[in-house]
Amino acid sequence: TQLLEQSPQFLSIQEGENLTVYCNSSSVFSSLQWYRQEPGEGPVLLVTVVTGGEVKKLKRLTFQFGDARKDSSLHITAAQPGDTGLYLCAGVGAAGNKLTFGGGTRVLVKP
Amino acid sequence: ETGVTQSPTHLIKTRGQQVTLRCSSQSGHNTVSWYQQALGQGPQFIFQYYREEENGRGNFPPRFSGLQFPNYSSELNVNALELDDSALYLCASSFGGTGGLETQYFGPGTRLLVL
Repeated sequence: TQLLEQSPQFLSIQEGENLTVYCNSSSVFSSLQWYRQEPGEGPVLLVTVVTGGEVKKLKRLTFQFGDARKDSSLHITAAQPGDTGLYLCAGVGAAGNKLTFGGGTRVLVKP
Repeated sequence: ETGVTQSPTHLIKTRGQQVTLRCSSQSGHNTVSWYQQALGQGPQFIFQYYREEENGRGNFPPRFSGLQFPNYSSELNVNALELDDSALYLCASSFGGTGGLETQYFGPGTRLLVL
């Protein structure tokens, strides 16, 4: 069974601070995705990383995929209250049809 | 372009009852996946339907079953409800059949409470 572990489970920071969320697995995934979920809504895809060592930037968000494609991180620079939400990483299986989600990291950015 | 919709938004049932949840996929999508998200946890894959056939199943008992219709909408049925079935049920639609990575678009979910 492929499992993804996210850390920390909860993060509370002040506006303007930086934060990093980690996603680790003992298994290799063909690709890894990061989602953000807000209360009462489904997860929304932020990014997909495919190649080991890949780094993608989305405004203040930086995503890294480990060289061995078993781990990933999400770094937010100068966090804003609008960044508040549940951040989920999800590994994509070889067939591309199944997402294995981590337990999520709840981020609270206080003004 | 219409997004993924789910009904009902909320539902309360008692142990032993049966429930049917519905999902309308995004226009042009032929694949629907269902996930269960317990409170404070990440979603867990239940199963996927591609062109009306089951195309992969997670670690859920047979009392979780599904259907996909010719218009690619889908139903999730859960029989003999248990307290632990209380969760947010998410459906996600995608365009499958390419053999590659398919972006899944999630609906807002149905929150089920089993008493």
